Amino acid sequence: LAKTTQPISMDSYEGQEVNITCSHNNIATNDYITWYQQFPSQGPRFIIQGYKTKVTNEVASLFIPADRKSSTLSLPRVSLSDTAVYYCLVGGYGGATNKLIFGTGTLLAVQP
Amino acid sequence: EPEVTQTPSHQVTQMGQEVILRCVPISNHLYFYWYRQILGQKVEFLVSFYNNEISEKSEIFDDQFSVERPDGSNFTLKIRSTKLEDSAMYFCASIWAGELFFGEGSRLTVL
Repeated sequence: LAKTTQPISMDSYEGQEVNITCSHNNIATNDYITWYQQFPSQGPRFIIQGYKTKVTNEVASLFIPADRKSSTLSLPRVSLSDTAVYYCLVGGYGGATNKLIFGTGTLLAVQP
Repeated sequence: EPEVTQTPSHQVTQMGQEVILRCVPISNHLYFYWYRQILGQKVEFLVSFYNNEISEKSEIFDDQFSVERPDGSNFTLKIRSTKLEDSAMYFCASIWAGELFFGEGSRLTVL
């Protein structure tokens, strides 16, 4: 099972772009990379998912290099409400890898 | 939008008591999970469940824990004899196309 490593915390200011990198050196061929956001006392919420190259949706972009041993979540123009813990998760589509394990996550603090 | 629902939102119990936490996953999802989160710590995997049996479990999920899906809709987590260290938020989740859908959690306080 691929273990993930992320920075414990990051600081940013409103309006800046934030990039959070996750290392997953032991990623398996059938593993996808998924990022979640968690606010205090709430369940994690899906942000974005990818397998390789770049994925973009309305809230974030995900960059995955060719070797897939890391990934970077990019949040454009963060606001105060983006202050949360961000987790990267590596695993299959439920059937392939059922033991979906969260790492320590990155606490992003956005200041005015 | 379909969602995972959990009850109760908060339960206070005495050490040694049995607790059952309930979850209704999204109806067409097939894989279900329980996670827990001790205050200030990361989300910890407890167990995954598919086709009415446990698929994977962590070392946390010892003999004091059990899960079942008694009626095809509810998915329950039972803690037989609670300990102080079981105090945590317990999250139920179901998965579809690699995306975990979490409930709002059940906060368990063991006194």
